[in-house]
Amino acid sequence: AQSVTQLDSQVPVFEEAPVELRCNYSSSVSVYLFWYVQYPNQGLQLLLKYLSGSTLVKGINGFEAEFNKSQTSFHLRKPSVHISDTAEYFCAVSGPQYNQGGKLIFGQGTELSVKP
Amino acid sequence: NAGVTQTPKFQVLKTGQSMTLQCAQDMNHEYMSWYRQDPGMGLRLIHYSVGAGITDQGEVPNGYNVSRSTTEDFPLRLLSAAPSQTSVYFCASRIGRGTQYFGPGTRLLVL
Repeated sequence: AQSVTQLDSQVPVFEEAPVELRCNYSSSVSVYLFWYVQYPNQGLQLLLKYLSGSTLVKGINGFEAEFNKSQTSFHLRKPSVHISDTAEYFCAVSGPQYNQGGKLIFGQGTELSVKP
Repeated sequence: NAGVTQTPKFQVLKTGQSMTLQCAQDMNHEYMSWYRQDPGMGLRLIHYSVGAGITDQGEVPNGYNVSRSTTEDFPLRLLSAAPSQTSVYFCASRIGRGTQYFGPGTRLLVL
């Protein structure tokens, strides 16, 4: 079974500063990894995903993440954040069964707060 | 396309009452799921379905029932509501290894 841990529950940062949101996963098989964003009082939308291929994945809104198999991590980064990036961010993992409807398991979430 | 729709948006129940949370998608997605979101616990999978007539349990299935009679609809039933079921509920759908799309959520308060 897969599991995911987001190492920071809250990350405060000043506008235009870089940010990294950390995510570690646990799995004995190959994985698919995702980052979702949830703006206040809204549903979740996909930022980026790693299914295979290049370990550096670029997503929407200038975010990127790097899959590190040896460290079982999938950290999310942005070189310069904006006030509008204030939201909750979720890391999620699934196993090879994702293609056949396998479960998508989420972490606890990280609240990113961007201050002027 | 309307995407994934959920009704109602808000609901208040008394302990012991039953209700059904509706979820529909118009994207012909095979796979549908129900999650609950609680502060500090992220999203936890309640039930999921890989196609009409096929459902399975997720991480926290107790107190909830589902059925999938059509590809489009995946209702979630609370049999006897408890205060511990106060939460925000999200329905999601996807096809194959594609993106999983989420509905806007249903906020449920059980008194």
